[in-house]
Amino acid sequence: DAKTTQPNSMESNEEEPVHLPCNHSTISGTDYIHWYRQLPSQGPEYVIHGLTSNVNNRMASLAIAEDRKSSTLILHRATLRDAAVYYCILRNYGQNFVFGPGTRLSVLP
Amino acid sequence: DTGVSQDPRHKITKRGQNVTFRCDPISEHNRLYWYRQTLGQGPEFLTYFQNEAQLEKSRLLSDRFSAERPKGSFSTLEIQRTEQGDSAMYLCASTPRGQATQFFGPGTRLTVL
Repeated sequence: DAKTTQPNSMESNEEEPVHLPCNHSTISGTDYIHWYRQLPSQGPEYVIHGLTSNVNNRMASLAIAEDRKSSTLILHRATLRDAAVYYCILRNYGQNFVFGPGTRLSVLP
Repeated sequence: DTGVSQDPRHKITKRGQNVTFRCDPISEHNRLYWYRQTLGQGPEFLTYFQNEAQLEKSRLLSDRFSAERPKGSFSTLEIQRTEQGDSAMYLCASTPRGQATQFFGPGTRLTVL
C-alpha cells in the first residue's frame, strides 16, 4: 500500500485559512488522493478527493503538486467545528483504504 | 437522509464473553466495510462485503471474529471469547455501487474488562 506522511498536529485560529499538508512520494499514476476527517466521538467523514487536478467542494479545496508527490487540504475559513483528525489516504482502484494516524487539527477561538 | 447506523453504540463485557455488533448501511449501498480503531490511531480495515459476499478479510481478523451480511443489507460482527486487546471502536462504512467514497457510521465502542 502506498503511504502518506502527515504532521501529527496543527493549530489554527478561528476564521483563518488552514493548510494541511500530506506527503506521498511513492504515489503511483493511478492512486487517488482522498481526505477524510474524524470529529470527536464520530466516524470518519469524506472531505474531498482528486487525482491530478486541484479540486474544490463546499467543504474544502485540494491542491495537488505537479509531480503528485504531495498535496494540501485547504480549509478556507476554519471554524471550531473543523477541529478534527484529518486523514490523507492514497487509494488505487479496487484497493481498500489504509488510514494512518492523521493530523489532529485544533482551532483556537 | 438516514446514514449508516450501528448498534449498540457502547458495549461493556467481561473477558471471555461473546459480543455481536450490528451495522445498517445506507439503503442500496452494495459494499459494506468493518474497521477497528484504537486510541490515537486511524481505523484499521477488518473485512468487507459486496452484497452478501465477504470478499476480503484482514489478517487482523482472527478466528474469534466472524462477520456476516446474510441478505446483502445489514451486517453483524461477532467476537467470540473476547480479550482485553479487543477493546476498541468498531466502525462500519458503506459505499454505493461504482463509487469509492465510504460513508461511516458512528461506531460501537467495546470495552472488555
